[in-house]
Amino acid sequence: GAGVSQSPSNKVTEKGKDVELRCDPISGHTALYWYRQSLGQGLEFLIYFQGNSAPDKSGLPSDRFSAERTGGSVSTLTIQRTQQEDSAVYLCASRKVGGAQNTGELFFGEGSRLTVL
Amino acid sequence: KNQVEQSPQSLIILEGKNCTLQCNYTVSPFSNLRWYKQDTGRGPVSLTIMTFSENTKSNGRYTATLDADTKQSSLHITASQLSDSASYICVVSGGGGSQGNLIFGKGTKLSVKP
Repeated sequence: GAGVSQSPSNKVTEKGKDVELRCDPISGHTALYWYRQSLGQGLEFLIYFQGNSAPDKSGLPSDRFSAERTGGSVSTLTIQRTQQEDSAVYLCASRKVGGAQNTGELFFGEGSRLTVL
Repeated sequence: KNQVEQSPQSLIILEGKNCTLQCNYTVSPFSNLRWYKQDTGRGPVSLTIMTFSENTKSNGRYTATLDADTKQSSLHITASQLSDSASYICVVSGGGGSQGNLIFGKGTKLSVKP
């Protein structure tokens, strides 16, 4: 597709359930980021993938959070045993890295809104 | 510590008025600085990029400045419109690898009233 695609756009779940959020980046973008945005707050870095390098997981808030990126393209963010404080919008973004004309602009998806009851 | 501080946290102005948003950073090494606009319920979209050698850049009614010596940037909005109501996020590229080489400010929430 032309842009970053995220699914589902909305997810309501019960406390204690596991959820999976999906991100389909722009084709050819080697860098992929996940951010969390609580209501009225700024973007909180979660994890960063770049090519075949080991991901930077320094922003994951607990071991209930994990993410993978298969084949250097689609990424899945998994939250196990969800808690009410996990309720937020989860934003995915991708960008090109390297190249003479590359200015490193981040392209964001529209986000997945997670509500934990 | 790599940080990006934005002020004010929120701002309310009347339609047609001008406003200026501030961004101070302590990110090293520095590569570039971008301003993003985030409409409610949407993902952020880039407005402009400032590199080390650029002082001023305009994009329609938006004008960004960068002072690399004082490590400050501003975003000036001229003749505001209702559609300018959004959060404006300052993002500095650099930082030696932390957070994927992108350090985010917390944003300024702008409300333009009729």
